[in-house]
Amino acid sequence: DTAVSQTPKYLVTQMGNDKSIKCEQNLGHDTMYWYKQDSKKFLKIMFSYNNKELIINETVPNRFSPKSPDKAHLNLHINSLELGDSAVYFCASSQVLVGSRVHFGPGTRLTVT
Amino acid sequence: EDQVTQSPEALRLQEGESSSLNCSYTVSGLRGLFWYRQDPGKGPEFLFTLYSAGEEKEKERLKATLTKKESFLHITAPKPEDSATYLCAVHIQGAQKLVFGQGTRLTINP
Repeated sequence: DTAVSQTPKYLVTQMGNDKSIKCEQNLGHDTMYWYKQDSKKFLKIMFSYNNKELIINETVPNRFSPKSPDKAHLNLHINSLELGDSAVYFCASSQVLVGSRVHFGPGTRLTVT
Repeated sequence: EDQVTQSPEALRLQEGESSSLNCSYTVSGLRGLFWYRQDPGKGPEFLFTLYSAGEEKEKERLKATLTKKESFLHITAPKPEDSATYLCAVHIQGAQKLVFGQGTRLTINP
């Protein structure tokens, strides 16, 4: 199936740890994103990459570092995790930068204890 | 400041009871308005894109409409499987991102 996939689905970790979330899309899209959805279901963009180039960094703490090894992958590494980082993180992709339909992955629920 | 507000926050309907969800926006310039459906534990799923006032799009029991200040998602004779959170998002002119509303959680009782 063509889709946006991300792993892991669930991530439970302690404060101060470093963790990564991996994302892959096989839709042939040029643009990939990371979104954060808080407990109130508010979905907010964190980063967008177009052809492996960072386009948007939406005032996200430096502890969050996206890495795009190629157009099909956009991973998210988080250092020194804090309680407030607990949320659902969605990877997404679109054919062009905004303006076209955005396809979302299934999400990674991160719980920091 | 650009803002997207959805109402109501939650809506409970009986099966077959038609209603509308609202997405109002105050933005500097609208390039497009998107509707998504999100089921629990899943990512948002694209429904519609609207680009200009007066435009309408339909899909099964859903119809989306757009004015210069708001969009409505009309649901006609809903079924329990229409239960989900419905999100709207706007693409603002000059911004390379979508800004989402907080969603409307719709429950259809059999």
